[in-house]
Amino acid sequence: DTEVTQTPKHLVMGMTNKKSLKCEQHMGHRAMYWYKQKAKKPPELMFVYSYEKLSINESVPSRFSPECPNSSLLNLHLHALQPEDSALYLCASSQGAGGGYNEQFFGPGTRLTVL
Amino acid sequence: SQQGEEDPQALSIQEGENATMNCSYKTSINNLQWYRQNSGRGLVHLILIRSNEREKHSGRLRVTLDTSKKSSSLLITASRAADTASYFCATDENGAQKLVFGQGTRLTINP
Repeated sequence: DTEVTQTPKHLVMGMTNKKSLKCEQHMGHRAMYWYKQKAKKPPELMFVYSYEKLSINESVPSRFSPECPNSSLLNLHLHALQPEDSALYLCASSQGAGGGYNEQFFGPGTRLTVL
Repeated sequence: SQQGEEDPQALSIQEGENATMNCSYKTSINNLQWYRQNSGRGLVHLILIRSNEREKHSGRLRVTLDTSKKSSSLLITASRAADTASYFCATDENGAQKLVFGQGTRLTINP
Protein backbone atom coordinates (compact mmCIF):
# COMPACT_ATOMS: atom_id res chain seq x y z
CA ASP A 1 0.00 0.00 0.00
CA THR A 2 1.75 3.16 -1.22
CA GLU A 3 -1.10 5.53 -0.49
CA VAL A 4 -1.54 8.44 1.87
CA THR A 5 -5.21 9.09 2.63
CA GLN A 6 -6.71 12.33 3.89
CA THR A 7 -10.15 13.09 5.23
CA PRO A 8 -12.27 15.00 4.65
CA LYS A 9 -11.74 15.96 1.00
CA HIS A 10 -13.55 19.25 1.50
CA LEU A 11 -14.28 21.21 4.67
CA VAL A 12 -16.20 24.43 5.18
CA MET A 13 -16.06 25.96 8.63
CA GLY A 14 -16.87 29.15 10.41
CA MET A 15 -14.34 31.15 12.34
CA THR A 16 -15.66 29.89 15.67
CA ASN A 17 -15.71 26.20 14.75
CA LYS A 18 -13.34 23.46 15.85
CA LYS A 19 -12.55 20.81 13.27
CA SER A 20 -9.83 18.27 12.54
CA LEU A 21 -8.06 17.05 9.43
CA LYS A 22 -6.89 13.45 9.36
CA CYS A 23 -4.09 11.74 7.49
CA GLU A 24 -3.14 8.06 7.41
CA GLN A 25 -0.38 6.00 5.82
CA HIS A 26 0.49 2.31 6.07
CA MET A 27 3.89 2.35 4.40
CA GLY A 28 5.79 2.18 7.66
CA HIS A 29 7.08 5.72 7.16
CA ARG A 30 8.32 7.40 10.33
CA ALA A 31 8.24 10.99 9.06
CA MET A 32 4.98 12.80 8.39
CA TYR A 33 4.32 16.34 7.25
CA TRP A 34 1.62 18.97 6.98
CA TYR A 35 1.79 21.51 4.16
CA LYS A 36 -0.45 24.44 3.28
CA GLN A 37 -0.92 25.41 -0.36
CA LYS A 38 -2.65 28.50 -1.67
CA ALA A 39 -3.89 28.67 -5.24
CA LYS A 40 -1.12 28.82 -7.86
CA LYS A 41 1.54 28.75 -5.15
CA PRO A 42 3.93 26.00 -4.03
CA PRO A 43 3.27 23.96 -0.89
CA GLU A 44 4.57 25.59 2.29
CA LEU A 45 5.74 23.38 5.12
CA MET A 46 3.86 23.73 8.40
CA PHE A 47 4.93 20.82 10.62
CA VAL A 48 7.20 17.77 10.55
CA TYR A 49 6.82 14.74 12.81
CA SER A 50 9.74 12.37 13.06
CA TYR A 51 9.22 9.12 14.95
CA GLU A 52 5.97 10.55 16.33
CA LYS A 53 7.67 13.59 17.81
CA LEU A 54 7.25 17.12 16.49
CA SER A 55 10.60 18.05 14.98
CA ILE A 56 9.75 21.15 12.97
CA ASN A 57 7.12 23.85 13.51
CA GLU A 58 7.47 26.56 10.89
CA SER A 59 6.17 29.28 13.22
CA VAL A 60 2.60 28.26 12.52
CA PRO A 61 -0.11 30.13 14.48
CA SER A 62 -1.43 28.27 17.50
CA ARG A 63 -4.90 28.03 15.94
CA PHE A 64 -3.35 25.07 14.06
CA SER A 65 -2.51 22.21 16.42
CA PRO A 66 -0.88 19.04 15.07
CA GLU A 67 -1.06 15.65 16.70
CA CYS A 68 0.56 12.31 15.88
CA PRO A 69 -1.30 9.61 17.86
CA ASN A 70 0.79 6.79 16.35
CA SER A 71 3.19 6.11 13.51
CA SER A 72 0.39 5.78 10.94
CA LEU A 73 -1.82 8.72 11.84
CA LEU A 74 -1.44 12.46 11.73
CA ASN A 75 -4.09 14.98 12.71
CA LEU A 76 -4.35 18.72 12.33
CA HIS A 77 -6.75 20.35 14.78
CA LEU A 78 -8.24 23.65 13.69
CA HIS A 79 -9.72 26.30 15.96
CA ALA A 80 -10.70 29.93 15.48
CA LEU A 81 -9.38 30.05 11.93
CA GLN A 82 -9.38 33.13 9.75
CA PRO A 83 -10.64 33.41 6.15
CA GLU A 84 -7.02 33.73 4.97
CA ASP A 85 -6.43 30.19 6.25
CA SER A 86 -8.56 28.88 3.40
CA ALA A 87 -6.25 26.67 1.34
CA LEU A 88 -5.43 23.12 0.29
CA TYR A 89 -3.89 21.24 3.22
CA LEU A 90 -1.58 18.44 2.17
CA CYS A 91 -0.25 15.60 4.25
CA ALA A 92 2.88 13.69 3.24
CA SER A 93 5.07 10.92 4.58
CA SER A 94 8.57 9.62 3.93
CA GLN A 95 11.03 7.01 5.06
CA GLY A 96 13.66 7.78 7.63
CA ALA A 97 13.77 10.69 9.99
CA GLY A 98 12.36 13.15 7.54
CA GLY A 99 13.59 16.03 5.48
CA GLY A 100 14.74 16.14 1.91
CA TYR A 101 16.77 12.95 1.76
CA ASN A 102 13.92 10.72 0.64
CA GLU A 103 10.94 11.15 -1.63
CA GLN A 104 7.75 12.26 -0.01
CA PHE A 105 4.40 10.61 -0.67
CA PHE A 106 1.52 13.06 -0.68
CA GLY A 107 -2.15 12.61 0.05
CA PRO A 108 -4.81 14.19 -2.18
CA GLY A 109 -5.33 17.06 0.25
CA THR A 110 -8.22 18.65 2.12
CA ARG A 111 -9.71 21.76 0.53
CA LEU A 112 -10.51 24.05 3.47
CA THR A 113 -12.78 27.08 3.24
CA VAL A 114 -13.12 29.36 6.26
CA LEU A 115 -16.16 31.62 6.21
CA SER B 1 11.65 30.83 2.39
CA GLN B 2 11.68 29.99 -1.28
CA GLN B 3 14.74 28.02 -2.29
CA GLY B 4 13.92 27.06 -5.87
CA GLU B 5 12.96 29.46 -8.60
CA GLU B 6 11.52 27.94 -11.71
CA ASP B 7 11.58 29.04 -15.27
CA PRO B 8 9.37 29.41 -17.17
CA GLN B 9 6.35 30.07 -14.94
CA ALA B 10 4.08 28.74 -17.66
CA LEU B 11 4.74 26.67 -20.78
CA SER B 12 2.31 25.65 -23.51
CA ILE B 13 3.38 23.19 -26.22
CA GLN B 14 1.88 20.80 -28.74
CA GLU B 15 1.46 17.13 -27.98
CA GLY B 16 4.52 15.19 -29.04
CA GLU B 17 6.94 18.06 -28.46
CA ASN B 18 9.53 18.10 -25.70
CA ALA B 19 9.11 20.28 -22.61
CA THR B 20 12.03 21.68 -20.62
CA MET B 21 11.69 23.32 -17.23
CA ASN B 22 14.50 24.88 -15.21
CA CYS B 23 15.04 25.31 -11.50
CA SER B 24 17.61 27.46 -9.73
CA TYR B 25 18.42 27.46 -6.04
CA LYS B 26 20.57 29.52 -3.69
CA THR B 27 22.21 27.36 -1.02
CA SER B 28 24.09 24.08 -0.89
CA ILE B 29 21.92 20.99 -1.18
CA ASN B 30 22.13 17.25 -0.67
CA ASN B 31 19.28 16.44 -3.01
CA LEU B 32 16.91 17.97 -5.51
CA GLN B 33 13.53 16.49 -6.26
CA TRP B 34 10.89 17.08 -8.92
CA TYR B 35 7.17 16.69 -8.27
CA ARG B 36 4.07 16.91 -10.46
CA GLN B 37 0.71 18.24 -9.34
CA ASN B 38 -2.48 17.90 -11.28
CA SER B 39 -4.95 20.69 -10.69
CA GLY B 40 -5.98 20.94 -7.04
CA ARG B 41 -4.65 17.52 -6.10
CA GLY B 42 -1.73 16.01 -4.22
CA LEU B 43 1.83 16.02 -5.48
CA VAL B 44 3.42 13.02 -7.14
CA HIS B 45 7.14 12.40 -6.85
CA LEU B 46 8.93 12.14 -10.20
CA ILE B 47 12.68 11.98 -9.64
CA LEU B 48 15.21 12.54 -6.86
CA ILE B 49 18.77 13.46 -7.86
CA ARG B 50 21.59 13.56 -5.32
CA SER B 51 24.17 16.33 -5.28
CA ASN B 52 26.89 13.97 -6.54
CA GLU B 53 24.81 12.98 -9.59
CA ARG B 54 24.71 14.94 -12.83
CA GLU B 55 21.90 13.28 -14.74
CA LYS B 56 19.07 10.87 -14.10
CA HIS B 57 16.45 9.27 -16.31
CA SER B 58 13.03 7.80 -15.63
CA GLY B 59 10.95 6.79 -18.63
CA ARG B 60 10.31 9.97 -20.66
CA LEU B 61 11.85 12.15 -17.95
CA ARG B 62 15.43 13.37 -17.85
CA VAL B 63 16.77 15.47 -15.00
CA THR B 64 20.12 17.22 -14.91
CA LEU B 65 21.83 18.86 -11.96
CA ASP B 66 24.64 21.39 -12.10
CA THR B 67 25.73 22.17 -8.55
CA SER B 68 28.30 24.71 -9.73
CA LYS B 69 25.51 26.77 -11.27
CA LYS B 70 22.97 25.77 -8.60
CA SER B 71 20.51 24.73 -11.25
CA SER B 72 18.53 21.74 -12.48
CA SER B 73 16.42 21.01 -15.51
CA LEU B 74 13.55 18.61 -16.15
CA LEU B 75 13.01 17.41 -19.70
CA ILE B 76 9.81 15.60 -20.67
CA THR B 77 10.12 14.01 -24.09
CA ALA B 78 7.28 13.18 -26.48
CA SER B 79 4.75 15.02 -24.34
CA ARG B 80 1.17 13.80 -23.90
CA ALA B 81 -2.03 15.55 -22.88
CA ALA B 82 -1.82 13.72 -19.55
CA ASP B 83 1.43 15.57 -18.79
CA THR B 84 -0.59 18.77 -18.33
CA ALA B 85 0.15 19.73 -14.71
CA SER B 86 2.26 21.96 -12.50
CA TYR B 87 5.83 20.85 -11.95
CA PHE B 88 7.79 21.79 -8.83
CA CYS B 89 11.41 21.37 -7.91
CA ALA B 90 12.21 20.99 -4.21
CA THR B 91 15.47 21.06 -2.31
CA ASP B 92 16.77 20.46 1.18
CA GLU B 93 18.40 23.84 1.64
CA ASN B 94 21.67 23.55 3.55
CA GLY B 95 20.79 19.92 4.30
CA ALA B 96 17.89 20.97 6.50
CA GLN B 97 15.30 18.44 7.57
CA LYS B 98 12.70 19.81 5.22
CA LEU B 99 11.90 20.34 1.57
CA VAL B 100 11.51 23.82 0.15
CA PHE B 101 9.55 24.04 -3.08
CA GLY B 102 10.11 26.32 -6.02
CA GLN B 103 7.33 28.43 -7.49
CA GLY B 104 6.53 25.81 -10.12
CA THR B 105 6.01 25.68 -13.86
CA ARG B 106 2.47 25.26 -15.22
CA LEU B 107 2.73 23.01 -18.26
CA THR B 108 -0.10 22.75 -20.78
CA ILE B 109 0.02 20.15 -23.54
CA ASN B 110 -2.28 21.01 -26.44
CA PRO B 111 -3.71 18.12 -28.45
